[in-house]
Amino acid sequence: GENVEQHPSTLSVQEGDSAVIKCTYSDSASNYFPWYKQELGKGPQLIIDIRSNVGEKKDQRIAVTLNKTAKHFSLHITETQPEDSAVYFCAASITGNQFYFGTGTSLTVIP
Amino acid sequence: DTGVSQNPRHKITKRGQNVTFRCDPISEHNRLYWYRQTLGQGPEFLTYFQNEAQLEKSRLLSDRFSAERPKGSFSTLEIQRTEQGDSAMYLCASSSGTGHTGELFFGEGSRLTVL
Repeated sequence: GENVEQHPSTLSVQEGDSAVIKCTYSDSASNYFPWYKQELGKGPQLIIDIRSNVGEKKDQRIAVTLNKTAKHFSLHITETQPEDSAVYFCAASITGNQFYFGTGTSLTVIP
Repeated sequence: DTGVSQNPRHKITKRGQNVTFRCDPISEHNRLYWYRQTLGQGPEFLTYFQNEAQLEKSRLLSDRFSAERPKGSFSTLEIQRTEQGDSAMYLCASSSGTGHTGELFFGEGSRLTVL
């Protein structure tokens, strides 16, 4: 099956700086790549997603890039704020039914 | 609240006992998923329903685990003869199934502790 690796596992940034989280996947058939944010005691919440026919997508301070050749995709958060502190998960899906998640990145934004 | 609802939120049980979790998805969603999440890990897929039909099951879902969605609405996940290794957060998610892929809406999870 699909294998998704995520780095780094922890990330600390100063408020206002940018944060980048990277993921790689193994199955070239994967075609949907969502990113989820999980706050303490809550379920993951979708923040942005990208499909394999697109190389980049932006939504305000958040952007995701996809390199299908290298089989990696990244999450970029600009102008970080304390409320961005959470655990972020990348995921990959082939069928849209099974989603394979990375191991998560704990982001801390230092005021 | 019209989000995904899971009950109970916390369950502590002794090894060997049976436990059941319930998930109420967003009402118009026809797809329902169960995931398991252990500390420091991402969610791991367990099973998926389209309406009342269980269409996919992970190899993680041993024969001690059974999931149902009898009327295509709420779902239950039962774990029989619990083991300490079953201790985890059990997450339910639903989606509208629009198109090939749809956003997963997760509940807040049911945390199981097996003593």
